Amino acid sequence: EAGVVQSPRYKIIEKKQPVAFWCNPISGHNTLYWYLQNLGQGPELLIRYENEEAVDDSQLPKDRFSAERLKGVDSTLKIQPAELGDSAVYLCASSLQSTYNEQFFGPGTRLTVL
Amino acid sequence: AQKITQTQPGMFVQEKEAVTLDCTYDTSDQSYGLFWYKQPSSGEMIFLIYQGSYDEQNATEGRYSLNFQKARKSANLVISASQLGDSAMYFCAMREGPFYQFYFGTGTSLTVIP
Repeated sequence: EAGVVQSPRYKIIEKKQPVAFWCNPISGHNTLYWYLQNLGQGPELLIRYENEEAVDDSQLPKDRFSAERLKGVDSTLKIQPAELGDSAVYLCASSLQSTYNEQFFGPGTRLTVL
Repeated sequence: AQKITQTQPGMFVQEKEAVTLDCTYDTSDQSYGLFWYKQPSSGEMIFLIYQGSYDEQNATEGRYSLNFQKARKSANLVISASQLGDSAMYFCAMREGPFYQFYFGTGTSLTVIP
């Protein structure tokens, strides 16, 4: 069974540029999560989807961040414009349902903003 | 207040010895879940073990066990017979609330010494 796929694995951009990350969850998983992980910290939830509906986006900085999960399968997280402080690892995870115990994580995208 | 507190930034353990990684949590909910994840240097988060707040017995998964002390709000991870491959970051996490919000601690870096 294929795991959670994320691309790109690494991205370097200059500040004020836009950037997008892509995530393909495990087949059949209804719940999809985007996390931000700063160096030396634990992941922080940005947004959670149940199918195509964003059910928890309270921690998503909506002035510059946006996300979508069309058709309730893969998802894209976008930052526009990027700031220096956005440098971090962006993790995607999926689970069968929110009530399911285990989240499966992808390898993450490491973003560096110069 | 922090939802998850991990007070040990770094731990060392001799190969084949047991080690306990500390985790305390803060919630006013009666129903919640506690998780431990491993994050090797490759970056991918790996689910290790889960404990539900209503589970009376401590969870065990192979060499991993969770020492759940509800009154003290602690959920320590015990790794028995440490192996070199156990060297990684370990994160404690909690799921709570009607919307299944997820919170991670800051992690503990474990180094297994040959």
